Amino acid sequence: DAGVIQSPRHEVTEMGQEVTLRCKPISGHDYLFWYRQTMMRGLELLIYFNNNVPIDDSGMPEDRFSAKMPNASFSTLKIQPSEPRDSAVYFCASSFAGAMNTGELFFGEGSRLTVL
Amino acid sequence: QKEVEQNSGPLSVPEGAIASLNCTYSDRGSQSFFWYRQYSGKSPELIMFIYSNGDKEDGRFTAQLNKASQYVSLLIRDSQPSDSATYLCAVHTGGFKTIFGAGTRLFVKA
Repeated sequence: DAGVIQSPRHEVTEMGQEVTLRCKPISGHDYLFWYRQTMMRGLELLIYFNNNVPIDDSGMPEDRFSAKMPNASFSTLKIQPSEPRDSAVYFCASSFAGAMNTGELFFGEGSRLTVL
Repeated sequence: QKEVEQNSGPLSVPEGAIASLNCTYSDRGSQSFFWYRQYSGKSPELIMFIYSNGDKEDGRFTAQLNKASQYVSLLIRDSQPSDSATYLCAVHTGGFKTIFGAGTRLFVKA
């Protein structure tokens, strides 16, 4: 079975540009999480969905960030406009209720974003 | 105060020694606690979970939980160079909201 698929794996863009990160969760998983990881701040939860509905977006830094999950097999995280401080590795992770009881999140390989 | 705090390290131990990693959390209502391992350039992977006060052993790994002190630890016995990684403590706060600490880097010297 394919794992969580994220794209792009690497993105280099200039300040002010729009960035869209994509995630395909594992089939059958009904939880989806977006995290951001930097050396300074570690792994921060941005938002998570259950059955395509956003449950907690309190970690979304500001209005420049938005996330959607139009269906069970696709989610996007958009940054508009991007800033150099948004440079980080963005991870998508999915899971299901049974695995969540043991804390298991299935992570994608991450999207490394560099904003110049 | 961060919700989950860890010493960033690095923690350096010789091969064969016990590595001790610590974590504190702020939400007294948290019930579920997890340790993830992350190799450089890779994504995190779950290695242990613990719900009850006390110790839980799995091979060379032992997780310890003290809810009164809001403290979780991970012991790695007979440390191997392949254990060199960043160890992330994670906590469920409010349902399945999973919050991670910043991680502790562990180096095991051969």
